[in-house]
Amino acid sequence: SAVISQKPSRDICQRGTSLTIQCQVDSQVTMMFWYRQQPGQSLTLIATANQGSEATYESGFVIDKFPISRPNLTFSTLTVSNMSPEDSSIYLCSAGQGDQPQHFGDGTRLSIL
Amino acid sequence: QQPVQSPQAVILREGEDAVINCSSSKALYSVHWYRQKHGEAPVFLMILLKGGEQKGHEKISASFNEKKQQSSLYLTASQLSYSGTYFCGTEMGGGSNYKLTFGKGTLLTVNP
Repeated sequence: SAVISQKPSRDICQRGTSLTIQCQVDSQVTMMFWYRQQPGQSLTLIATANQGSEATYESGFVIDKFPISRPNLTFSTLTVSNMSPEDSSIYLCSAGQGDQPQHFGDGTRLSIL
Repeated sequence: QQPVQSPQAVILREGEDAVINCSSSKALYSVHWYRQKHGEAPVFLMILLKGGEQKGHEKISASFNEKKQQSSLYLTASQLSYSGTYFCGTEMGGGSNYKLTFGKGTLLTVNP
């Protein structure tokens, strides 16, 4: 199974600033995903990161707030822009393809002051 | 459409069995099961595909009823290490529409 490295593992940021989270997979994968998880809650899909094209965003998430890059088949970044306390959450990336399972990175715990 | 998981929480003694259910109002292509321990990433347990067989390994198995769009996760002779939150993730499209919608989770606590 794919091994996914995500960084930073945690950060504390000031409101109004932006943070870029990186996700590296140890093998080429077709699809990468970004999720948000509030403490004690379920995982909510933010977007699917597509290699060579724009990300596909889920309802309630927009590119201006969560720009995503996918420069190749092993790497993706998620930026959380103009942060507010409501953006405090855990952000997870995952990777998978076809009928194979998705595997998750360890997550980025983000706190906004 | 978020799948519905039941129960929301369950407490067991070591060695007891549990069943966690996941149901959808939409036709499903696959169901994925994950376990997440506090402060950790979700860990993949198994995947049930439309038309596939019941999956299982050791004391954890799962089934997928395509007619009812329901999946169940069976934990037998539970161990302390089974404690955590169990999520089902459902996929409707298959193929290129490969995205999961997760249920709200079932908190499983196994006590000695």
